[in-house]
Amino acid sequence: EPEVTQTPSHQVTQMGQEVILRCVPISNHLYFYWYRQILGQKVEFLVSFYNNEISEKSEIFDDQFSVERPDGSNFTLKIRSTKLEDSAMYFCASRASGGAIGELFFGEGSRLTVL
Amino acid sequence: SQQGEEDPQALSIQEGENATMNCSYKTSINNLQWYRQNSGRGLVHLILIRSNEREKHSGRLRVTLDTSKKSSSLLITASRAADTASYFCATGGVQGAQKLVFGQGTRLTINP
Repeated sequence: EPEVTQTPSHQVTQMGQEVILRCVPISNHLYFYWYRQILGQKVEFLVSFYNNEISEKSEIFDDQFSVERPDGSNFTLKIRSTKLEDSAMYFCASRASGGAIGELFFGEGSRLTVL
Repeated sequence: SQQGEEDPQALSIQEGENATMNCSYKTSINNLQWYRQNSGRGLVHLILIRSNEREKHSGRLRVTLDTSKKSSSLLITASRAADTASYFCATGGVQGAQKLVFGQGTRLTINP
């Protein structure tokens, strides 16, 4: 069964360092997302990506964040200068079709710990 | 404003009992979805109910939607220990947006 894969599963970094989280969405999907979940809290929307551009972003997704789809398969989230409060689980998700939003397929997440 | 607030935040029941979780939201929606998350894992889609539907079933799951009250409920019948997880509702298509907005979740514990 097709699945969304994310790497790394866990990354520990020092405050101020750059981090890149990688995702391989399901191959025929068209919409891509990043969400984050601070431990024990709600799942928060960061950004959606369609047709090689950001379609929507939240207030969390400030200038320190960027996304890229460098080739036909990978979808990356970069945090330029990490802060302690960036520590969270980051989930990539994708969905197949346009129109009204349907089911999202999530990866297992990348846990980011900023020290 | 918050969308998708679940109630209760935590629920603990005995195996075999039914579990009911509720979700409220504030704005108009295209659909409402329920997801499950095992501890430390990704979210798994359970069921989607459209704004013009009132009830939907999938196996041991029953979802209702009341758009006049802006609320939904998820019922898990004949619960099993393996149902222990967090359950999130998510609203889709709010004001035409192409994203899901998740609630705080209900932590469900099924005691054997």
